[in-house]
Formats: sequence, C-alpha cells, structure tokens
Amino acid sequence: QQQVKQSPQSLIVQKGGISIINCAYENTAFDYFPWYQQFPGKGPALLIAIRPDVSEKKEGRFTISFNKSAKQFSLHIMDSQPGDSATYFCAASNDGQAGTALIFGKGTTLSVSS
Amino acid sequence: DAGVIQSPRHEVTEMGQEVTLRCKPISGHDYLFWYRQTMMRGLELLIYFNNNVPIDDSGMPEDRFSAKMPNASFSTLKIQPSEPRDSAVYFCASSFLPPSTGELFFGEGSRLTVL
Repeated sequence: QQQVKQSPQSLIVQKGGISIINCAYENTAFDYFPWYQQFPGKGPALLIAIRPDVSEKKEGRFTISFNKSAKQFSLHIMDSQPGDSATYFCAASNDGQAGTALIFGKGTTLSVSS
Repeated sequence: DAGVIQSPRHEVTEMGQEVTLRCKPISGHDYLFWYRQTMMRGLELLIYFNNNVPIDDSGMPEDRFSAKMPNASFSTLKIQPSEPRDSAVYFCASSFLPPSTGELFFGEGSRLTVL
C-alpha cells in the first residue's frame, strides 16, 4: 500500500514531441505528489509538485495531471527538448503525518532525440 | 550555500571492508536523509534524522548498516562488513520543512562498488 508504481521504465521521444510518464498509488492518505528530475551524475532535484485539491498544475512546459478517483498522476513534458533527457521520479507522501517521508517510484529514463 | 556535500564521490572496495560515507547538509536544514539508488529498486529511503535524532530507520537493510549524526552539520553512513550487493549510489539529502511536504535537496551522491 505504500508503493508508488511508475511507468514506463524508459521512454524515447523525438524533439518537439510530448513525453508522458505515469504513476499510480494505493494509499488514499497520500496528499502530496512531487516530481523530481535527475541528470546523469547528479542528485535528483524537485521539478514540480501538486496537491489533490487541484487536477492540474502547469509550470512552463511541464504539467502534472492528477486523477484522485483513479489514484493516478502523470507528468507531461510539452515540446520535449534534448536538454530534458534525464531520469524522472514521481513521489508521494502523507502531508498530514509530518514524519512520513517521501515514497519514490522507480524512475523513468527519458531520452529526447534531436 | 554550497548545497549538500557528500564524500567520497566514488569508492571501490573489497568485500568485507568497512565503508564510511559522509554528508554535510545545507546549513539551517533540520532534516537529513540517506537514500540508496539502484537500477532494480530505484530510490530507497534508508534513514532520516530530525535535529540530529534518527526518526525512521526502517529502510536500513540490516545490522551491517549504521548511520550517525553527531551534529547539525555532519552525518555518516557506515557499512561493515560491505558486500557486493551493497553496490549502489548513496545519496544524502536535507530539507528545511518536514519530509512529507518539504523540498529535498540532494547531494551528488557517493557511488559505491564492492568487489
């Protein structure tokens, strides 16, 4: 119940295309859903986050879509660029339990071909 | 601030040897986390501290692993004895807010190879 399942494991997209990464969770108490971006040789860094009071959040070319009833959320990268090539992790936590740490998905390696 | 600083960046050791990984969190951050990254299991939380006190160590694989935070600016993760299956990238992260909601700031990781 504590897992966050992420798919696909890897993704190849052409420059200018849309990259879509999906995550699903079981714990209905989860109420904070961030995405982290990791470049090779670096640590993950926060990209964008959403809470369940909204169904969508957009920051530039990055959009999180959230479906509370389906317990799913996804990251959309519009107009994908070679510089977006990285590993993306979704995560979830229960904000109501301050001591609960983030649970990460296993990651998606995105390659954007030029 | 220089960010979270980890050392060493790379460590190659032989099975049975002791390994010590070090971390300096961002000044003012009350929370410190140790994560392990592998291809098979992704990012796994090993342990985290709040104000130098271990809060959740349920992710520590076994007694061979231990972590300490003697003060607010330093933490260690020790593996003794090391085994080949411990080979992974170990990340230290810190945050100002509680882990359920705060942004985690990760170091660049320590890549451990146990032969």
